[in-house]
Amino acid sequence: SQTIHQWPATLVQPVGSPLSLECTVEGTSNPNLYWYRQAAGRGLQLLFYSVGIGQISSEVPQNLSASRPQDRQFILSSKKLLLSDSGFYLCAWSVPGGRGLEQYFGPGTRLTVT
Amino acid sequence: AQKVTQAQTEISVVEKEDVTLDCVYETRDTTYYLFWYKQPPSGELVFLIRRNSFDEQNEISGRYSWNFQKSTSSFNFTITASQVVDSAVYFCALSENRGNTPLVFGKGTRLSVIA
Repeated sequence: SQTIHQWPATLVQPVGSPLSLECTVEGTSNPNLYWYRQAAGRGLQLLFYSVGIGQISSEVPQNLSASRPQDRQFILSSKKLLLSDSGFYLCAWSVPGGRGLEQYFGPGTRLTVT
Repeated sequence: AQKVTQAQTEISVVEKEDVTLDCVYETRDTTYYLFWYKQPPSGELVFLIRRNSFDEQNEISGRYSWNFQKSTSSFNFTITASQVVDSAVYFCALSENRGNTPLVFGKGTRLSVIA
């Protein structure tokens, strides 16, 4: 069966510091991968998605970047965090190439920028 | 453009009451897919159901049921005899009939079930 991991679970970082959040998927090959952000009390905002190694689509211009160095690894980064980067970050995966297939979410990382 | 609207921001019910969460969608596609997810206080989104636009049959799974009506572009979710464990944020989502496209989510409805 497939599982998705995210770490760290919680993170407190000062403004201006770098960020690296990691997501890995087990039990499947070449998954589609997604990064979402959920600000407090608000809906899900799609940040990035990837259909393969090195292929990243950015949905919203911002202070963040994503990379996919390996098939089942998706990394969210920032060189300098802003207060507005605080939120709950969720990684998700779906079966590649399919139409209208559900996404499966990881446990999330709660980021507080101070 | 695709859009999902969940007009109910927050709903509060007493345990054992029935509750319906509304979802209205917009799409130009004739083939599309609809989803519901549950986000309990722990934060992880849990997939509940996926329906395609050609299947308008209502679905029931235990205390959960879904009413898909193309004529009104709605995909509503009903919880019968609600329980405290149903307290969560519920998201409706839409996907186009193209490979590898992300889901479009509504803003969610926060359901509080009070004992």
